Order: sequence, then structure tokens, then C-alpha cells
Amino acid sequence: DTGVSQDPRHKITKRGQNVTFRCDPISEHNRLYWYRQTLGQGPEFLTYFQNEAQLEKSRLLSDRFSAERPKGSFSTLEIQRTEQGDSAMYLCASSLGDRLDTQYFGPGTRLTVL
Amino acid sequence: AQKVTQAQTEISVVEKEDVTLDCVYETRDTTYYLFWYKQPPSGELVFLIRRNSFDEQNEISGRYSWNFQKSTSSFNFTITASQVVDSAVYFCALSGFDFGNEKLTFGTGTRLTIIP
Repeated sequence: DTGVSQDPRHKITKRGQNVTFRCDPISEHNRLYWYRQTLGQGPEFLTYFQNEAQLEKSRLLSDRFSAERPKGSFSTLEIQRTEQGDSAMYLCASSLGDRLDTQYFGPGTRLTVL
Repeated sequence: AQKVTQAQTEISVVEKEDVTLDCVYETRDTTYYLFWYKQPPSGELVFLIRRNSFDEQNEISGRYSWNFQKSTSSFNFTITASQVVDSAVYFCALSGFDFGNEKLTFGTGTRLTIIP
């Protein structure tokens, strides 16, 4: 059973560095979502894709953030010039894309910016 | 705008006790989905249940049960005969029903600790 996978699981970086995370959705899932979760809070929506098209971006997604899903399969989330406020768990979820479907989450990437 | 409120930040109960986690939501949509997810210490969100707004039937799955009351905008979750493995953070979430409105809005979560 292959669920949503994310890589890396943990990332420690220095302020100002760029980081990139990868998410591999469940096979045949058309929708892919990115969320961010800070300590003690629930996940907050960042952006999502229908196949390779990025359909919505949250106001939380500043210009330093960019997400891609070039072939409609895996996705990457890049943060440029990281800031300490970017420290969080970045969660990826996927769904079939049918309105009746449920989002299934990966294990997340925990980012710590020093 | 959508909003989910989980007023209970932390709950501790002794093993085998029943416990209810509260969830209150706000939405202007007439049709919507409600969810519960479990987040164990490993960090991965585990899907537990999805309910749509036009089905107010309560649901039971083993030791878990859910009470959906549209009149009070609540979707509460009860664990019967709690076990140590139930210890986790539980999130209630809400999404729209229409295409393009499927993103989840989460509450702040309730940390449940089951004491052996």
C-alpha cells in the first residue's frame, strides 16, 4: 500500500538559504495539496494542483514560496531566502479529484530555520 | 469565510473512560463536508471520517462515534472505552462541496491523553 510520501522528513537550514521539498502523491490521484502546520495549530492551506495546473494559492504563500507539479505526478515546494518564521511542518495531501473524495496526508517535512 | 473551533485544547482521561471531543464550525455554504483527522506523535494526519452536510445521521465505527447536528453547527467525536493508542491530537476540518472549494479548514486541534 503506497501512501503519500514526502522527502525529506526533516530539514534544518540557516536563515537566508533556499530549501526544496518533494511530495509524491498516491498513484492516480489528480489533486495534490500543500498545507503548513505551526506548533500548536491546525494545518493551513497553501496551494493545490489539479494534475499539473496550480489552481489556487493562499495569501500565506508569499513571493518566496513556489510550488510546481510539472508532469502531474510529484510536486515540489521551494522556499527561497528562508526566514525563522518559515519553521513549520509542511504537509502534502492528495485526492482523486472527485468532489466526493477525501484528502490523504503524507508524513510531512519538518523545517527548522536557524 | 469558513471557521472551525475546537475549544478543548487538551483532555486527559483514564483508560477505558469515554471521551467526547467537541467541534463547532461556521460556513456560509449550504452544502459542505466535515472531517475528523488523527495526528499521532509521528506527525502524519490520519483520516477518520467524512460527513456531508445533507446527511445528519450519526455514525458509529467500532469504538468511535460521531454526532452531527446542523442546528447547532456541531460535529462531535466520541471515543468509547478509550485506549492508550488513542492518545493523539485530533483535528476537525471543514471543506466546501463545489469544484474548486475543496481545501480543508482545520480547527486548532484537541490533544487527547489516555492515562493507563
